[in-house]
Amino acid sequence: KQEVTQIPAALSVPEGENLVLNCSFTDSAIYNLQWFRQDPGKGLTSLLLIQSSQREQTSGRLNASLDKSSGRSTLYIAASQPGDSATYLCAVHTGGFKTIFGAGTRLFVKA
Amino acid sequence: EAQVTQNPRYLITVTGKKLTVTCSQNMNHEYMSWYRQDPGLGLRQIYYSMNVEVTDKGDVPEGYKVSRKEKRNFPLILESPSPNQTSLYFCASSLRTSGGTDTQYFGPGTRLTVL
Repeated sequence: KQEVTQIPAALSVPEGENLVLNCSFTDSAIYNLQWFRQDPGKGLTSLLLIQSSQREQTSGRLNASLDKSSGRSTLYIAASQPGDSATYLCAVHTGGFKTIFGAGTRLFVKA
Repeated sequence: EAQVTQNPRYLITVTGKKLTVTCSQNMNHEYMSWYRQDPGLGLRQIYYSMNVEVTDKGDVPEGYKVSRKEKRNFPLILESPSPNQTSLYFCASSLRTSGGTDTQYFGPGTRLTVL
């Protein structure tokens, strides 16, 4: 059974720091992996989608990588800002149309 | 504006009283899905639908029903709600590709309390 783990569970950094969020999954037979942002009490906003055949995707200050063979993905945030404070979730989409979420990393960027 | 809408946004009800949470998308997406989010357990998939009249169970389907009679709508039905179904519910939709789905877009959420 696919399991998705995100480390760390919480992270506090000063503004301007570059940071890496980690996501690992137990079954490498995935269709794609998606990173989301969730603000308190709000819905999920899609950040990046990486197909299983891709190694990375970039959007602005965000870069997500995928290593299927080792079951890992990382989300790199450059020059963090207080507005980046949120919970970041990764979700693995299996070939059977199921989606499995990690528990998330709660990020706090201090001004 | 492309969006996924859910209604109601907030609902307080009592045990056993049937309820329906509606979900609608205007992006002509084939794939739709329901999730629940609970503290400490994260988001878990309840049901999903690959297209009209095609649905399947996610990881936590017990106590829920769904139907997909139209492409744009995917209602979640709780026939006899119980307090353990108190949760934050999200609907999502996506284009369907040959082997799975594309980017999933989420609705704003429905906070359900069952007394």
